[in-house]
Amino acid sequence: GENVEQHPSTLSVQEGDSAVIKCTYSDSASNYFPWYKQELGKGPQLIIDIRSNVGEKKDQRIAVTLNKTAKHFSLHITETQPEDSAVYFCAAKNTGFQKLVFGTGTRLLVSP
Amino acid sequence: DAGITQSPRHKVTETGTPVTLRCHQTENHRYMYWYRQDPGHGLRLIHYSYGVKDTDKGEVSDGYSVSRSKTEDFLLTLESATSSQTSVYFCAISETFPRTDTQYFGPGTRLTVL
Repeated sequence: GENVEQHPSTLSVQEGDSAVIKCTYSDSASNYFPWYKQELGKGPQLIIDIRSNVGEKKDQRIAVTLNKTAKHFSLHITETQPEDSAVYFCAAKNTGFQKLVFGTGTRLLVSP
Repeated sequence: DAGITQSPRHKVTETGTPVTLRCHQTENHRYMYWYRQDPGHGLRLIHYSYGVKDTDKGEVSDGYSVSRSKTEDFLLTLESATSSQTSVYFCAISETFPRTDTQYFGPGTRLTVL
């Protein structure tokens, strides 16, 4: 089955810096890759997703890139702000199946 | 939280007692899921439902059962709770084809088994 690895487990940056979180997946049939942000005491919230027919997607300060050949995808946050501090999860899924497999999460801390 | 409520939000129980967690949605989405979240493991799928009375197992289904008698409600039952089931439980929903990929999560239930 699918296995998703996520790095780093913790990431500390200064406000205004960029942050990059990387994930690798094992199943070449996976074709949907969402990223979730989880704030303390809340459920995960979808922030951006990408499908395998696209190499990059942007939404304001966040972007996701996908390398199908290497089977890895990354989340990029530019001009980080303290409110970006949270735990971020990547996930992978094959559209033909209902099972979304998550990485183990990255705790991002943005210091003022 | 995309029209999803979970109840209770917090529960403390003792080993060996039955526990039922409820997920209620107002979106009329076809698919519903139960996940557990533990440090170092991310979110792991317990069970999911693809319609009323239609359910299937996830990767960590042992010790759990589910039921879905109405589109809007998905129940997770621990028949005899154990300390290893102490966790935060999240419900999620997704739409019908072709938008089944995107899952939206509820606020979670923190369960402690003593």
